[in-house]
Amino acid sequence: AQSVSQHNHHVILSEAASLELGCNYSYGGTVNLFWYVQYPGQHLQLLLKYFSGDPLVKGIKGFEAEFIKSKFSFNLRKPSVQWSDTAEYFCAVTPQTGANNLFFGTGTRLTVIP
Amino acid sequence: EAGVAQSPRYKIIEKRQSVAFWCNPISGHATLYWYQQILGQGPKLLIQFQNNGVVDDSQLPKDRFSAERLKGVDSTLKIQPAKLEDSAVYLCASSQRLAGGNEQFFGPGTRLTVL
Repeated sequence: AQSVSQHNHHVILSEAASLELGCNYSYGGTVNLFWYVQYPGQHLQLLLKYFSGDPLVKGIKGFEAEFIKSKFSFNLRKPSVQWSDTAEYFCAVTPQTGANNLFFGTGTRLTVIP
Repeated sequence: EAGVAQSPRYKIIEKRQSVAFWCNPISGHATLYWYQQILGQGPKLLIQFQNNGVVDDSQLPKDRFSAERLKGVDSTLKIQPAKLEDSAVYLCASSQRLAGGNEQFFGPGTRLTVL
């Protein structure tokens, strides 16, 4: 069965600090990988995605993620966070074949202190 | 482009009552999804439609939950009767196609509280 683990439940950083949020998945086949973000009071929106090719993908607002197949990981990074990055971040996977079901991790709440 | 619309945004009911949620996907999106997000957890898929047909409802508690998308556009999710553990945010999402990895666009959700 598919599963997604996000080990950091709540991360607190000061502005300009670097960010790395962990995501590991378990699945028996090839997957597509996503990071979604939910800003306070807003709906879930896509931050970035990986389907194939270059394992380092860049998303909106300066975020990037690296797919490491051997570690089943897809960690999210940002070199310098801003107060406006305060949000909840969800890692998710879908199988590359078959129905487009998103399997989400439990989420990581990021609080950035000005 | 208008996003995914959901109503109501909030609903408070007592256990054993019934409740219904409505979703209107982005125009032209063939695939529609309902997710349940319990506090402290990630969203979990309940049911997936392709046009007006069900693709996957394996995680839907069918003894109390039902959903329909009769004309292949908007959709209704119903709970009858509600239990305390149904308290959650119910998210609707849509995508252009069914194919794996097709980006899903989410609505604002309906927050249900069962007392």
